[in-house]
Amino acid sequence: DTGVSQNPRHKITKRGQNVTFRCDPISEHNRLYWYRQTLGQGPEFLTYFQNEAQLEKSRLLSDRFSAERPKGSFSTLEIQRTEQGDSAMYLCASSLLAAGGEQYFGPGTRLTVT
Amino acid sequence: AQRVTQPEKLLSVFKGAPVELKCNYSYSGSPELFWYVQYSRQRLQLLLRHISRESIKGFTADLNKGETSFHLKKPFAQEEDSAMYYCALSVPRAGANNLFFGTGTRLTVIP
Repeated sequence: DTGVSQNPRHKITKRGQNVTFRCDPISEHNRLYWYRQTLGQGPEFLTYFQNEAQLEKSRLLSDRFSAERPKGSFSTLEIQRTEQGDSAMYLCASSLLAAGGEQYFGPGTRLTVT
Repeated sequence: AQRVTQPEKLLSVFKGAPVELKCNYSYSGSPELFWYVQYSRQRLQLLLRHISRESIKGFTADLNKGETSFHLKKPFAQEEDSAMYYCALSVPRAGANNLFFGTGTRLTVIP
């Protein structure tokens, strides 16, 4: 286990198509986070899981976005009916349950919507 | 609502010069503050956090609650410090600790 992995690393899609990204956290980490980063901005929190439970969602997460972590291990983030404004880097991070647990980030998936 | 402000998008210093990257936050309670760093072609990683009060790679940061600041400092910059630095805030509630990031400062250390 060499850290958090994300697939694909790059995705180009046409407006209106659905896309799905995958995140594999560090194996013993029970918390998993999704962030979105646009050009010139810092990462923005989208949602977080503790084991398989989705405990918090940002207002940034519109109805077109859905995230799952079915077995408390890997997670998927799906965007339906993509829009050009969805173009961004999508980052996944994981951490241990302990309060203040350091978040370890993946390399991100860069989405381009044409 | 919580907010993190990094007023400088770009900062250039000469090797061996002192460095200070500014970070101000707004939150009425007791947040946790972090500095994350992203080196070229690498992923975002934690540099230091205020609760540990440690020095990492020569960097220190002191939480000043009166000024709501968490500036990152290093007395003598090195070329390998060139990177993107993000200040981040966490508001622990019900055990959650999702991060709120500033817009980042790109530090360039000139040889």
